[in-house]
Amino acid sequence: QTVVTQEPALSVSPGGTVTLTCGLSSGSVSTSYFPSWYQQIPGQAPRTLIYTTNTRSSGVPDRFSGSILGNKAALTITGAQADDECDYYCVLFKSEDTWLFGGGTKLTVL
Amino acid sequence: QVQLVESGGGVVQPGGSLRLSCATSGFSFTSCAMHWVRQAPGRGLEWLALILYDGSDKYRANSVKGRFTISRDISQNTLHLQMNSLTTEDTAVYYCARGGKPGTHYIDSWGQGTLVTVSS
Repeated sequence: QTVVTQEPALSVSPGGTVTLTCGLSSGSVSTSYFPSWYQQIPGQAPRTLIYTTNTRSSGVPDRFSGSILGNKAALTITGAQADDECDYYCVLFKSEDTWLFGGGTKLTVL
Repeated sequence: QVQLVESGGGVVQPGGSLRLSCATSGFSFTSCAMHWVRQAPGRGLEWLALILYDGSDKYRANSVKGRFTISRDISQNTLHLQMNSLTTEDTAVYYCARGGKPGTHYIDSWGQGTLVTVSS
């Protein structure tokens, strides 16, 4: 069974840059997986940030960017702010009946 | 604007059934694929099911095949999730979500969720 891997936790300083990654237990992530990224404040519904690897969803500031880095999808936050502190999930589309969610990364801004 | 409002959650005994609903507004319901995604307490998100535009094509995660059924009522612009043979492992917040444009394969809008608790 294919598992999507994310860093369980990362930290960044205010104003700093951090990259979250999204990999596969076997194989490489490519644009063919249509990587997407979601932000979730605990207790709230997720919010869509990035889709089709690097397209920002409406209203998402340009300090959030998506890419493929090596064999993983990546979400980079530049100029981190205090309210970026929350959970981030990546999703990979494999087929209509297989949507692979990562376990999430808890980001701390300190 | 897009609105997705879930309802139908609550407490149910193991082995029981529950039907969740998601009232939609602000967009053309028949033009969008719709998903159900859940989140167990303290855990990550888990995709459950997808239904395409007119409801003719449906897909489910292996973990819920044979127990959960996704459907849509076009006349009411409402999405449903029928859940049978519930176990304590099904305790979670259940989110209704709208798919992005065809070919983009992502979720672009989320409801606020409804809590399902399976407990004796």
